[in-house]
Amino acid sequence: GNSVTQMEGPVTLSEEAFLTINCTYTATGYPSLFWYVQYPGEGLQLLLKATKADDKGSNKGFEATYRKETTSFHLEKGSVQVSDSAVYFCALTFSGGTSYGKLTFGQGTILTVHP
Amino acid sequence: DAGVTQSPTHLIKTRGQQVTLRCSPKSGHDTVSWYQQALGQGPQFIFQYYEEEERQRGNFPDRFSGHQFPNYSSELNVNALLLGDSALYLCASSLGQFANTGELFFGEGSRLTVL
Repeated sequence: GNSVTQMEGPVTLSEEAFLTINCTYTATGYPSLFWYVQYPGEGLQLLLKATKADDKGSNKGFEATYRKETTSFHLEKGSVQVSDSAVYFCALTFSGGTSYGKLTFGQGTILTVHP
Repeated sequence: DAGVTQSPTHLIKTRGQQVTLRCSPKSGHDTVSWYQQALGQGPQFIFQYYEEEERQRGNFPDRFSGHQFPNYSSELNVNALLLGDSALYLCASSLGQFANTGELFFGEGSRLTVL
């Protein structure tokens, strides 16, 4: 079946540090890939996405590139802020077939940014 | 514009009881999906409702059932509760079975504790 694996957390950084959260996936075919974020006290929200190989998703200074050859979708940000403290989830889905409409999530990575 | 709203926010039940969770989708959305998020894990897909029918289902037993009403709101029912059903239950809405943008809008969830 389909699966998503994220790097072990939690991740603790100082403000303005560089962030990388690793995400790899196992799937038959070519899924669409997503990063969702869950801020304290809020629901999950889409951060960015990529729908085909070599696509780069970006939003709020975060970026992730869909790498088919390494089945990866690592999340990066050049300079994190305290307000980026949240739980980050990598996820995949397919645009058709039996997985249509289902998101498969990784286990989540807790990010804490200190001033 | 109201987002996805869920009720109740917290509830405690005992083993063997039954529970009903409720969800109102974001205004304009017609599809509702339910996810279970155990502590420290990513959300797991339970099922999706569109046009008042269950369209997709994840690997959950028949104790988990749902309903969608003509106004697109939805209920999740769990019978014969087990300790392992303790989790955060998330409702997500979209327009169509899976929005063209691939974006789901999530509520803050209902926290179920089974004693």
